[in-house]
Amino acid sequence: DIQMTQSPSTLSASVGDRVTITCRASQSISSWLAWYQQKPGKAPKLLIYKASSLESGVPSRFSGSGSGTEFTLTISSLQPDDFATYYCQQYNSYFRTFGQGTKVEIK
Amino acid sequence: QVQLVQSGAEVKKPGASVKVSCKASGYTFTSYYMHWVRQAPGQGLEWMGIINPSGGSTSYAQKFQGRVTMTRDTSTSTVYMELSSLRSEDTAVYYCARDPKIVVVPAAIAEEGIFDYWGQGTLVTVSS
Repeated sequence: DIQMTQSPSTLSASVGDRVTITCRASQSISSWLAWYQQKPGKAPKLLIYKASSLESGVPSRFSGSGSGTEFTLTISSLQPDDFATYYCQQYNSYFRTFGQGTKVEIK
Repeated sequence: QVQLVQSGAEVKKPGASVKVSCKASGYTFTSYYMHWVRQAPGQGLEWMGIINPSGGSTSYAQKFQGRVTMTRDTSTSTVYMELSSLRSEDTAVYYCARDPKIVVVPAAIAEEGIFDYWGQGTLVTVSS
């Protein structure tokens, strides 16, 4: 299985901050990477697919980049609604796997 | 609008089975694959498998082979996930999640592999 490792596990930030989350794959996954946002008690929400494509309806402050084994999710200016847990997910191999999550907390 | 509405919470004893339903609306049910993903309390997300609602073809993660069965009822636009031989480690929220790839071949599994719409989740608790 392809292992996905996110860093950091927790991130404390303030409204307006630029935030970057990193996701590393244990082997190359080309650009077959998605990012999700999950709030407590809710289902995940798709933000980014194919490493950098923004899902319809997702604010443009979210962006993704990377290829191969290293990827980043950037929030250009953190908003109150963005405090949540973020997961990366690879879909290069048939057994889809997720990172362990990065919780973005209020500083 | 696309909606996936799941059945309610379940409490089961070890060794029992559970069957969770996911009713789809707002789109053509047989045109999109459906996945099941679970999340143990305080943990990350785990992909379980996929069903092609058109032809009923399925593919399961190796971890769940032999214990999971995914089916569908096209007359009610509902997919089902049944997990047997439950153990405490199966305590989790179970989600159905739609794949954005359109089904071309009813008998095939050829999805995108991402999840664009999710159900609200069903908590399954396994406890003696």
